[in-house]
Parts: sequence; structure tokens; C-alpha cells
Amino acid sequence: GQQVQQSPASLVLQEGENAELQCNFSTSLNSMQWFYQRPEGSLVSLFYNPSGTKQSGRLTSTTVIKERRSSLHISSSQITDSGTYLCAMDPGTGSNRLTFGKGTKFSLIP
Amino acid sequence: NAGVIQTPRHKVTGKGQEATLWCEPISGHSAVFWYRQTIVQGLEFLTYFRNQAPIDDSGMPKERFSAQMPNQSHSTLKIQSTQPQDSAVYLCASSPTNTGQLYFGEGSKLTVL
Repeated sequence: GQQVQQSPASLVLQEGENAELQCNFSTSLNSMQWFYQRPEGSLVSLFYNPSGTKQSGRLTSTTVIKERRSSLHISSSQITDSGTYLCAMDPGTGSNRLTFGKGTKFSLIP
Repeated sequence: NAGVIQTPRHKVTGKGQEATLWCEPISGHSAVFWYRQTIVQGLEFLTYFRNQAPIDDSGMPKERFSAQMPNQSHSTLKIQSTQPQDSAVYLCASSPTNTGQLYFGEGSKLTVL
């Protein structure tokens, strides 16, 4: 089965609304990361091995490794936030040999 | 810092031809990873090198795919006798160590006709 489940698969909001993205892992994990993939395809690391709650600008990651879940909160979403958000886990290799979820495709309506 | 550089950005090959993709990791990064992304499978790990040595190639298809890292400034992914199912975006990434924040290149989109 799928080791990394992301929900929702797609999300459409109006500009200014808040978004909540979820990531659940079916197996134990060493660490996890959140990535943003721009519409043209480039990938950017957002949070590396967050545990507890970490914030970067309008993004907040809340991760509970023991419960195998993580969420990404985007506050006051903007058009430039459109794209795909991916979470990935290290299942225990102790490396960046990551297993990725299928992503949440996030679109904004002006 | 130019980031991870991948060439070519787009490559179209005919079935049965060979394709070679290049990656220049961020200077000073000791770990280099190759991933492949398709609509159906999503992002999948292929292989990785640490200090130029191959560490884990468990994600590589056993036939036709090979990867090398002849020096610390570049890695190559070679696909022999390409098939339409090899069509994907091939992403290279590097990190300062084999863990830590991962930096991706822009990807090489391979289309096999």
C-alpha cells in the first residue's frame, strides 16, 4: 500500500483564505520533509525534519513523528502559493532516500 | 550559488535510442540523488551517491538504467534502448550530507516517442 498519503488531492480556495494540507504515513519514519513544486515543475524544500510546530512566513508545519502525521497550514493564501505541495518521509534509511506522497494540487481563485 | 544544474531540460528520443542526462550538484554537497517523476507514479527514488561512491541504487530499473559520478562536480544518468514508459521528468538533487535539506534541480524532461 501507499506509505505516504496526502489529503486532499486537490484544493481550490479564494485568495486570502487559509489552507490546511495533511500528510499521513503508514509506516514508522525517521524524518520527513515538505516540498513545494511550482507549476513549471521546480521543487523547493519548505521544511526539513520538522517536529512539533515550525513556522516560516505564512507557512506553519505541525508534525508528530510518533503518530506518523504532519500538516501544513498556509495562512492568507496568495496567487503565488499555487502549485503542488509534497510531503516525503525517510522510512529509516537515515538518508534522503525519500518516499514521496502524490501531493496536494493547490489552486487559488482571485 | 547556482543551485543544482541539470541538462538538457528537454530531450526527445526515438524508441531504442540512448539518453544521457547530466547533473551538476551544488558545490560542496557530498550527496547526490536521482529521482523520477511521472503523473501515474509520482516522485520515485532511483539512486544516490555519497562522496562520489554509489550507495543505494535500489530504485533503479535493473536493465537499461545506469548512473555514474566520475567526479564531485557531476553525475550522469544513462538510459539505454529507451522505451516509451521511460518518459518522465528526471530530477537530480544534492544535500550537504546524506541527510539534511535536499536541493533539487529543475529536472530533465525525457520524452520517448
